Amino acid sequence: KQEVTQIPAALSVPEGENLVLNCSFTDSAIYNLQWFRQDPGKGLTSLLLIQSSQREQTSGRLNASLDKSSGRSTLYIAASQPGDSATYLCAVISSGSARQLTFGSGTQLTVLP
Amino acid sequence: DTAVSQTPKYLVTQMGNDKSIKCEQNLGHDTMYWYKQDSKKFLKIMFSYNNKELIINETVPNRFSPKSPDKAHLNLHINSLELGDSAVYFCASSQVSGGGATQYFGPGTRLTVL
Repeated sequence: KQEVTQIPAALSVPEGENLVLNCSFTDSAIYNLQWFRQDPGKGLTSLLLIQSSQREQTSGRLNASLDKSSGRSTLYIAASQPGDSATYLCAVISSGSARQLTFGSGTQLTVLP
Repeated sequence: DTAVSQTPKYLVTQMGNDKSIKCEQNLGHDTMYWYKQDSKKFLKIMFSYNNKELIINETVPNRFSPKSPDKAHLNLHINSLELGDSAVYFCASSQVSGGGATQYFGPGTRLTVL
């Protein structure tokens, strides 16, 4: 059974810092991995989707990497801003027939002005 | 302009009641989902429908019954509500099933069972 872990659970940084959020998964047979952002009281917003054959994806100040063999992904946020404050969720879709998202519990990020 | 919408946003009810949560997507997607986010913030899939047909049904009590009148709507009906049903329920949609497409989430419905 796939399990997804995110470390740290919470992170507080001053504005302007570069930061890395970590995600690990137990079963390397994945179809893809996605990073989401969740703002309080709101739904999830998809940030990046990495197919199993890819090593990384970039969108603006965000860069996500995938090392399938070691079961790890990182989300790099450059030049953090207070507006980046949110909970970041990592989710994987395993290669089995179900093809459903398995989520981590998230990293709550606070960027201090 | 809302892509995936849910009603109501908040729902407070007594144990034993029956309630429904509605979900609509205007993205023209074929696949819709229901997720439950518990107090520890874990999101877990409950159901997935593709073109009005059930394709994923996790180990959810049969008190939960999804209904899809058309592919733009996936409603969740819950019978005999229990305290443990208190959570935030998210609806989502994707263009296709099979996991290759990005899922778009609704704002969530916070259910509190007293």
